[in-house]
Amino acid sequence: DVKVTQSSRYLVKRTGEKVFLECVQDMDHENMFWYRQDPGLGLRLIYFSYDVKMKEKGDIPEGYSVSREKKERFSLILESASTNQTSMYLCASIPGSYNEQFFGPGTRLTVL
Amino acid sequence: EDQVTQSPEALRLQEGESSSLNCSYTVSGLRGLFWYRQDPGKGPEFLFTLYSAGEEKEKERLKATLTKKESFLHITAPKPEDSATYLCAVRGAGSYQLTFGKGTKLSVIP
Repeated sequence: DVKVTQSSRYLVKRTGEKVFLECVQDMDHENMFWYRQDPGLGLRLIYFSYDVKMKEKGDIPEGYSVSREKKERFSLILESASTNQTSMYLCASIPGSYNEQFFGPGTRLTVL
Repeated sequence: EDQVTQSPEALRLQEGESSSLNCSYTVSGLRGLFWYRQDPGKGPEFLFTLYSAGEEKEKERLKATLTKKESFLHITAPKPEDSATYLCAVRGAGSYQLTFGKGTKLSVIP
C-alpha cells in the first residue's frame, strides 16, 4: 500500500513564527502536492512538485513556499505564520500524471 | 476553468435507506473523475476513478457512475459506518492538478 506520512498531526504556533510541515511518501512517486482544507471552502491547492527541485504554484501560494530536495520528501514552509493560515494541511502524491492522488493524514495547524 | 459542484451539502439517512450523491462538473478534456471518502480529522481516502461516460465502479455498498456532465455515488442500504464526507474531484487534459468539490457530508442514523 502507498503510504504518505506527515510530520505532525497537530501543531500550534505563534504569529510570526517560521513553520515547516513535512511530507514523506514511500512509493517513489514523481508528483507531490500540498493542499489546505477549510470549512465551506473545500480543498485548495497551495503548491505542487513534479520532480526533485521543481515546483509550481497552485491556486493559493501567497504566504507559502516549498522545498523538494529529495524525491520522497516535500516540505511546506510558512515564512511568517499568520492567524489566517490556521487550517488543515494535506499532502498528496501520485506516481504519474493521470493517477489518483494518495493523501496523508493531515496536519491541523493553529496559529495564535 | 474546471469546476465541480456537489449536492446536497449534507444528507441524513436512516440505516438501510438507499440514496445518491451528485457531482456536476465542467472540465476541458476529462482525464479522470475521482471519488474520495474523508472521515473527520483525517486525510481523504481514495474510492474510485472513472474515465469515460457510461463507466461504473462498485465497492461494497457504493457504486459510482459517470455521464458527460455529472457523476453519482449511489449508496445502497447504508450503515452508520458509511457516515463521512464524500469528495468528488476532476482532472482536465494536460494538468497534474485535481479540482475538488466542497463535499457531501453523509450521516447514517441507526
